[in-house]
Amino acid sequence: EAQVTQNPRYLITVTGKKLTVTCSQNMNHEYMSWYRQDPGLGLRQIYYSMNVEVTDKGDVPEGYKVSRKEKRNFPLILESPSPNQTSLYFCASSWTGLIAPYEQYFGPGTRLTVT
Amino acid sequence: GQQVMQIPQYQHVQEGEDFTTYCNSSTTLSNIQWYKQRPGGHPVFLIQLVKSGEVKKQKRLTFQFGEAKKNSSLHITATQTTDVGTYFCAGNVQHSGYALNFGKGTSLLVTP
Repeated sequence: EAQVTQNPRYLITVTGKKLTVTCSQNMNHEYMSWYRQDPGLGLRQIYYSMNVEVTDKGDVPEGYKVSRKEKRNFPLILESPSPNQTSLYFCASSWTGLIAPYEQYFGPGTRLTVT
Repeated sequence: GQQVMQIPQYQHVQEGEDFTTYCNSSTTLSNIQWYKQRPGGHPVFLIQLVKSGEVKKQKRLTFQFGEAKKNSSLHITATQTTDVGTYFCAGNVQHSGYALNFGKGTSLLVTP
């Protein structure tokens, strides 16, 4: 079954404790992306990756890191989480056209709470 | 900041009424995508529009992309309770890399 998986689905942590949210897709998509969703703000792109070892900042990259060492995986790293990073996070993947990414396949989401 | 504006933020309709949500960008878009997110779920792709003036239909849903490729709309005819959810548009700004800018979404509530 074609899917995007994220782990963990729920996470409660404390300020400053490094954490990683994993994302994996089995569709051989080139494009992968992380979004955060906050009430009233919709979905905001954090980082995206066009392919292995190619990453770029989205709208709200501050406080986050990503890496793309393998095509199927795109982990999101919070080196020193803060309460304002409490949010619902989605990973997504897609094929890439000549000028823009195609339809995004979203993972189930990770609800992160930083106290 | 977010470059794609979406209105209205909320819409409450009686079942059978029509519904429209609008997206506007200050810059030309390469494409526009529409997603639906059910409460507690993840966004699910509905459609992509690429051409200027393009109109596409999916049963009761009609999607339009403006002539200038700066605005788009989603119209639902005769809403049903299964249409409940938040509808997002997402656009890629032309000549500006591969970032995807989402609107803030329109939450649709349909009462029977």
